[in-house]
Amino acid sequence: EADIYQTPRYLVIGTGKKITLECSQTMGHDKMYWYQQDPGMELHLIHYSYGVNSTEKGDLSSESTVSRIRTEHFPLTLESARPSHTSQYLCASSELIEQFFGPGTRLTVL
Amino acid sequence: GEDVEQSLFLSVREGDSSVINCTYTDSSSTYLYWYKQEPGAGLQLLTYIFSNMDMKQDQRLTVLLNKKDKHLSLRIADTQTGDSAIYFCAEIPAVAGTALIFGKGTTLSVSS
Repeated sequence: EADIYQTPRYLVIGTGKKITLECSQTMGHDKMYWYQQDPGMELHLIHYSYGVNSTEKGDLSSESTVSRIRTEHFPLTLESARPSHTSQYLCASSELIEQFFGPGTRLTVL
Repeated sequence: GEDVEQSLFLSVREGDSSVINCTYTDSSSTYLYWYKQEPGAGLQLLTYIFSNMDMKQDQRLTVLLNKKDKHLSLRIADTQTGDSAIYFCAEIPAVAGTALIFGKGTTLSVSS
């Protein structure tokens, strides 16, 4: 069983708030990812990291930012949340072939 | 660019076999994956196949890969109501590092 955690699982906030979605993994994986899943269930890569101090933007443009100061931790931050940010955010990690996902954070911005 | 296509819905009766199909465009894909997502949950890795293989079987799951037609399928034998979920096909394009490209998912509905 892969150990990858996301908090909070659900978050409802008002427009303009700053939020950080947490993602941690205990497997020592170098590679970590953030995907955004829209209501139609399609997944889009928004950020990835291949190791400490390495972060890259994904295919889908996102106003969020990420950091990778520790191997096990890959938080995603929205400086000023908007209703268009309402979505499910999925974190994942991988080492070689298998990519494991966390349970997701469902974000609603009012 | 890379693209992964899946049919959106499949409905089967309990005990029947389910076959979920996927097509992809990147002929240099190295690995192809099947993930399962239940309501309110993350994605669970079901199985994957290396691009030089034609078939992989794992208990009730059989993956078939037709590399010439860029077609991947997932067969679930003796489908159960607990198999109801969304199934995602994904690939790793050869030039895109290790990030996955996903299809839009196939919703499998199993009736008793």
